[in-house]
Amino acid sequence: QVQLVQSGAEVKKPGASVKVSCKASGYTFTTYAMHWVRQAPGQRLEWMGWINTGNGNTKYSQKFQGRVTITRDTSASTAYMELSSLRSEDTAVYYCARIWLRSGYYYMDVWGKGTTVTVSS
Amino acid sequence: QSALTQPASVSGSPGQSITISCTGTSSDVGGYNYVSWYQQYPGRAPKLMIYDVTKRPSGVSNRFSGSKSGNTASLTISGLQAEDEADYYCSSYTSSSTFVFGTGTKVTVL
Repeated sequence: QVQLVQSGAEVKKPGASVKVSCKASGYTFTTYAMHWVRQAPGQRLEWMGWINTGNGNTKYSQKFQGRVTITRDTSASTAYMELSSLRSEDTAVYYCARIWLRSGYYYMDVWGKGTTVTVSS
Repeated sequence: QSALTQPASVSGSPGQSITISCTGTSSDVGGYNYVSWYQQYPGRAPKLMIYDVTKRPSGVSNRFSGSKSGNTASLTISGLQAEDEADYYCSSYTSSSTFVFGTGTKVTVL
């Protein structure tokens, strides 16, 4: 069945970087874009960016531009989200979610279970 | 990109209907028919409930319906059930080729 399996929880110090992975199975990886969404404790969902898994093109939210890098390894059917210069406000659950890579498709139909990232000194 | 505006909470009794609004701008909600709605239980990942303003994915109850007028989209839950108690988020594609989520609404079944 279609699954997005994310890497485990991380604890990082302020100023460090974190890299979260999202392994896809049950479908052809390069036919769906991968989006990253985060949710701070008790807060709303926040869109971070996405990658076209076919050609590697990316688009980021202005809020995270310069701090976030989304990549993919097509041979491993895995997408990655790296966030740098971490601060306490980056403590959140980070989700990956897919969107079909065809014109007119703009909804996230499958989500990973989330990866908790805690930033603490 | 500012978050789409949703009421913080909506409540209703079992069997009643409730509606959650999602207000944006002409650059997102009003400019495209690409509004989607997600249900989220505490500690769980979001689940797609409505896409393209009015469409329901396979397996989602027909008690859930969506609509849009101008810059405001709405999610209606009819025949409210205890299992509908959750957080709901709207999302829209934007003119910047990005996505934006709403502020979220907590639905309480009285």
